[in-house]
Amino acid sequence: AQSVTQPDIHITVSEGASLELRCNYSYGATPYLFWYVQSPGQGLQLLLKYFSGDTLVQGIKGFEAEFKRSQSSFNLRKPSVHWSDAAEYFCAVGAKEYGNKLVFGAGTILRVKS
Amino acid sequence: GAGVSQSPSNKVTEKGKDVELRCDPISGHTALYWYRQSLGQGLEFLIYFQGNSAPDKSGLPSDRFSAERTGGSVSTLTIQRTQQEDSAVYLCASSLEGTSGNEQFFGPGTRLTVL
Repeated sequence: AQSVTQPDIHITVSEGASLELRCNYSYGATPYLFWYVQSPGQGLQLLLKYFSGDTLVQGIKGFEAEFKRSQSSFNLRKPSVHWSDAAEYFCAVGAKEYGNKLVFGAGTILRVKS
Repeated sequence: GAGVSQSPSNKVTEKGKDVELRCDPISGHTALYWYRQSLGQGLEFLIYFQGNSAPDKSGLPSDRFSAERTGGSVSTLTIQRTQQEDSAVYLCASSLEGTSGNEQFFGPGTRLTVL
């Protein structure tokens, strides 16, 4: 069965520092990969997605992610974190072979220190 | 344009009561999804609609849960005889087409508390 692992439950970074959130997936198929962000009391907002092609994907709010098939990873990065980036981040995977549902990781809560 | 809307935003009910949660998808989106977000289980898929039919109900946790969609638009998730373990945030999402690669747009959710 497909699964998504986000190994870090909480991460704290200083404002202006770089950020990397990890995501590993287990899939028996070529996946579609997504990163969503959820602010308190809000729904999920898509940051970026990977379907095929260039393995480095640019998203909104200055985020990027790199798909590494050999490592089954899709890590999210940002070169300089802003206080407004504090939120919970979810990695998600979909695949045609598994229907249309998304399988989500457990999420990583990002705290930004000023 | 308007995004996905859900009502009510909060619902408190007593154990054993039935509840209905509503989702209004983005106009023109043919695919609609329900997910549940709870502390112990994270974000879980419940059911997927393409038009008015539900080709994937694999995530519904028990027969107390049902959902319907009418007119290819509004969807209602019904939980009968609620239990405390049903307490969670229920999220609805819609997408332009029902394919895995399409972006799913999420609503703000309904927070259900079962006392």
